Amino acid sequence: DAKTTQPPSMDCAEGRAANLPCNHSTISGNEYVYWYRQIHSQGPQYIIHGLKNNETNEMASLIITEDRKSSTLILPHATLRDTAVYYCIVNNNAGNMLTFGGGTRLMVKP
Amino acid sequence: EAGVTQFPSHSVIEKGQTVTLRCDPISGHDNLYWYRRVMGKEIKFLLHFVKESKQDESGMPNNRFLAERTGGTYSTLKVQPAELEDSGVYFCASSKLTGPPDEKLFFGSGTQLSVL
Repeated sequence: DAKTTQPPSMDCAEGRAANLPCNHSTISGNEYVYWYRQIHSQGPQYIIHGLKNNETNEMASLIITEDRKSSTLILPHATLRDTAVYYCIVNNNAGNMLTFGGGTRLMVKP
Repeated sequence: EAGVTQFPSHSVIEKGQTVTLRCDPISGHDNLYWYRRVMGKEIKFLLHFVKESKQDESGMPNNRFLAERTGGTYSTLKVQPAELEDSGVYFCASSKLTGPPDEKLFFGSGTQLSVL
């Protein structure tokens, strides 16, 4: 599976959009981009995934560049409860191949 | 719908003792996974069950770890004998057997294991 690179930490003001970048320059054509997050003292939580088209659900939007070498997770109106570590994962297999890197620690501030 | 349940939430044992962790997946989920995060490290895959069968146990660190899923429902992960380096948080996750790409893992809150 392709490796991902994420900034170790980011801050965001409450109510503003949080844009979390991820680089996956070695992604192959059949690999999907998944985002999970881990809120303190909880297990990881699925957010969204995509292949090449932009995706949106009730939690977030995922923007994947045309060359698929990078993506951005967007939380449109961040709240304090969105403070968590966000993991970008590329995967072409079942969940056994989820490789959690270091992730981005997002701090949403009042 | 009940989520993935793990028991106990915390366990403190001495080196050399045995500990058994339990995971109850979401009802109807055939896939069950164990992951762990040891101190200061990233979350790592341990193994994957499909129903009662071990699909992939390539992440199991050594033969002190034994996972079972009799009857394809709940799973146990036994560590015997426990060593100091086994301390960490053990997560269980489950999913429906839908395969990629739409498989979503649902994680439990984990068991914090401390080996003294």
